[in-house]
Amino acid sequence: GQNIDQPTEMTATEGAIVQINCTYQTSGFNGLFWYQQHAGEAPTFLSYNVLDGLEEKGRFSSFLSRSKGYSYLLLKELQMKDSASYLCAVRERGGSQGNLIFGKGTKLSVKP
Amino acid sequence: DAGITQSPRHKVTETGTPVTLRCHQTENHRYMYWYRQDPGHGLRLIHYSYGVKDTDKGEVSDGYSVSRSKTEDFLLTLESATSSQTSVYFCAISLGTSGSEQYFGPGTRLTVT
Repeated sequence: GQNIDQPTEMTATEGAIVQINCTYQTSGFNGLFWYQQHAGEAPTFLSYNVLDGLEEKGRFSSFLSRSKGYSYLLLKELQMKDSASYLCAVRERGGSQGNLIFGKGTKLSVKP
Repeated sequence: DAGITQSPRHKVTETGTPVTLRCHQTENHRYMYWYRQDPGHGLRLIHYSYGVKDTDKGEVSDGYSVSRSKTEDFLLTLESATSSQTSVYFCAISLGTSGSEQYFGPGTRLTVT
């Protein structure tokens, strides 16, 4: 079956670093995506990993280990505006069958 | 914003009535998707389209139908709305290639009373 797990909630302090973990068990793997979603808004794309290793994009980095079925999103120099839900999603296959399977999201609260 | 609009943005309807939600894109993307998002469930795929008149079911398609007669429009219809279909509905588009991300519309909040 398909299963994507993320912590439900996390709290961190402004200026700090936070790591949001995602583990997955899917029938196939064709890439992992991270999205950010502020309350009442649409998800917005943050990062994409298909090979093992770290992808860095400004204050955000995403890591993937395919053998472990594991990814994390690393947020550095946290700002209050980073308070949002972070969604992990896996694409099982490519082409027209390459739909995304989403985890339930991690709600991050950044405190002063 | 990837040129995606959804209409209406908010709707309240009664149980048993038909409802159609519209997703419109201006960038000629081939792939379009309808999701619903509910507390405790995350985003779940309802239906998707990979071209004009080409659609397929997602994880939670029961009670929903879709149509795509033009590249730019993807319609989601609830033939007879039920209270369990109260949700926030998001449309998304993508290029459809392996590494391409999905871009989401602003969402429609539907309440079925």
